[in-house]
Amino acid sequence: QSVLTQPPSASGTPGQRVTISCSGSSSNIGSNYVYWYQQLPGTAPKLLIYRNNQRPSGVPDRFSGSKSGTSASLAISGLRSEDEADYYCAAWDDSLSGIFGTGTKVTVL
Amino acid sequence: QVQLVQSGAEVKKPGASVKVSCKASGYTFTSYGISWVRQAPGQGLEWMGWISAYNGNTNYAQKLQGRVTMTTDTSTSTAYMELRSLRSDDTAVYYCARGTTLPFDYWGQGTLVTVSS
Repeated sequence: QSVLTQPPSASGTPGQRVTISCSGSSSNIGSNYVYWYQQLPGTAPKLLIYRNNQRPSGVPDRFSGSKSGTSASLAISGLRSEDEADYYCAAWDDSLSGIFGTGTKVTVL
Repeated sequence: QVQLVQSGAEVKKPGASVKVSCKASGYTFTSYGISWVRQAPGQGLEWMGWISAYNGNTNYAQKLQGRVTMTTDTSTSTAYMELRSLRSDDTAVYYCARGTTLPFDYWGQGTLVTVSS
């Protein structure tokens, strides 16, 4: 079972823009939608982005997603202290398995 | 509102089995499946598989085939995940989530399973 590759960490000061990458392959990101989750310490993951770039109701428009080929990215603009969390990308694989990214810890300096 | 409430923490010895429950409310249980995701301490998320609450069909992650069984009880809107032949690397927080495919829009609170002799 493969994984999606993310940078282990990212950081920024309040108000800055932070971008997190997610690299996969033709059998997952390349042919399926990408999803993003935010996980605050000690809590369950929360859906942040679905179908590459759609936000569920209640998710601020500071969060945006994009996809190109076999990679995707999540951008957080206007960084706030409450954005400090772990972020995971996810995609379905053509082998009928769910695949999660390795996770990125975002720190607000 | 949609809620998934999981059973409490478990401590098991290597070789034993564990069964975690996930009680759903706030939606028609048979209209969605339930997926299971686990997270080892300090590690990332790992998809384990799903079960259709409509017809009981299942799809398990290859690495867990033969050790995991997912079931549902539609009379109580509860899903179960049983993992057998536990090893130390099965120590993790186990989450249930609504849906048989992404996105998993609602998640349970998680159940810590500790495997230790």
